[in-house]
Amino acid sequence: NAGVTQTPKFQVLKTGQSMTLQCAQDMNHNSMYWYRQDPGMGLRLIYYSASEGTTDKGEVPNGYNVSRLNKREFSLRLESAAPSQTSVYFCASSGTLYEQYFGPGTRLTVT
Amino acid sequence: AQRVTQPEKLLSVFKGAPVELKCNYSYSGSPELFWYVQYSRQRLQLLLRHISRESIKGFTADLNKGETSFHLKKPFAQEEDSAMYYCALTQGAQKLVFGQGTRLTINP
Repeated sequence: NAGVTQTPKFQVLKTGQSMTLQCAQDMNHNSMYWYRQDPGMGLRLIYYSASEGTTDKGEVPNGYNVSRLNKREFSLRLESAAPSQTSVYFCASSGTLYEQYFGPGTRLTVT
Repeated sequence: AQRVTQPEKLLSVFKGAPVELKCNYSYSGSPELFWYVQYSRQRLQLLLRHISRESIKGFTADLNKGETSFHLKKPFAQEEDSAMYYCALTQGAQKLVFGQGTRLTINP
């Protein structure tokens, strides 16, 4: 039982490049989330998916797209990376009791 | 709009001393509040939630609706308590709003 897994762990991109961050959970949770963590800003919600087939914007969705591929997987795509997207990205999932389970994070640097 | 404020970015106390991490919130309805913790090189995890009224690792938090606060307390800090702590509030649809976080350092 791995919980929430994320790939890759680290990534360096040049401005304008694209990439997809992958997230998977094996807890049969309906809801999944993508956050970014920046110093002094806490965790800010980028997008979330309340159930398979649905996605909604969070607090900071600009520059990102998401896909809820199935109940297990929720990917985050940066179409044209910008230095402002340098951050640590966390995926999380939750069942019915509001507790969110987090992945280990992806540290992304955009130069 | 729902908002969570943690006024202290950094907090440093000595081992054995009491610890209080402050959290204030603004929310129009009946809030559900949580404390999450991130130890060094570990993933973020739930520490406690106010509806459970439990003590985890010696930490407690009381919801004060009059003061709109949910401060985290521990009477005697331990070195292993050093971590990043986040207060969070539900925003409906199981979404959480997080505060900015407080980095707690326990000095030996």
